[in-house]
Amino acid sequence: AQKVTQAQTEISVVEKEDVTLDCVYETRDTTYYLFWYKQPPSGELVFLIRRNSFDEQNEISGRYSWNFQKSTSSFNFTITASQVVDSAVYFCALILDQTGANNLFFGTGTRLTVIP
Amino acid sequence: EAGVTQFPSHSVIEKGQTVTLRCDPISGHDNLYWYRRVMGKEIKFLLHFVKESKQDESGMPNNRFLAERTGGTYSTLKVQPAELEDSGVYFCASSRLAGGRGETQYFGPGTRLLVL
Repeated sequence: AQKVTQAQTEISVVEKEDVTLDCVYETRDTTYYLFWYKQPPSGELVFLIRRNSFDEQNEISGRYSWNFQKSTSSFNFTITASQVVDSAVYFCALILDQTGANNLFFGTGTRLTVIP
Repeated sequence: EAGVTQFPSHSVIEKGQTVTLRCDPISGHDNLYWYRRVMGKEIKFLLHFVKESKQDESGMPNNRFLAERTGGTYSTLKVQPAELEDSGVYFCASSRLAGGRGETQYFGPGTRLLVL
């Protein structure tokens, strides 16, 4: 069975601080994809990143960076110099790389509040 | 390109009533998914359409839930009769290729259902 754990339910930071959102996953499959989604107050889930299990290179996109470590089954997300617009619920998710396996397994989400 | 749209955004009904949720996927996307988030829990998969065919409905909670995707375009999810535990946010997502593996799923804003 697949499982995604986001142990941090809520995090508050002051604007311009860096913040890391943790994601730990469990699967017996060797190939899979990992995702991060952002849910702003408007409600929709906004896709942020997709990562293949074969690619452990860290990724940086502007103020966002992702650290994928297969050895610890973690896919953590760091926001550098946080801004008020980063306030949202962030979800980590996993999908197996198999034909017919099309359902995402989500964590329970981390609510980030950036205080001005 | 328009994103995934869902209607209504909110619905409040009484136990025993019927509610129908609608999802319009991104134009040209063969895959359509329904997910649900019960308060405080993770977002859980309900079912997956490839065009007009149900590919996987393993997440449907019971036979009070009926999903259709006539013509392979928009989809409806009907709950009849609604129970208190059906309350939650119902998300729809779509992705491009039928048979694609690990494809990014793009989500709509969700329908918030409250059963009283």
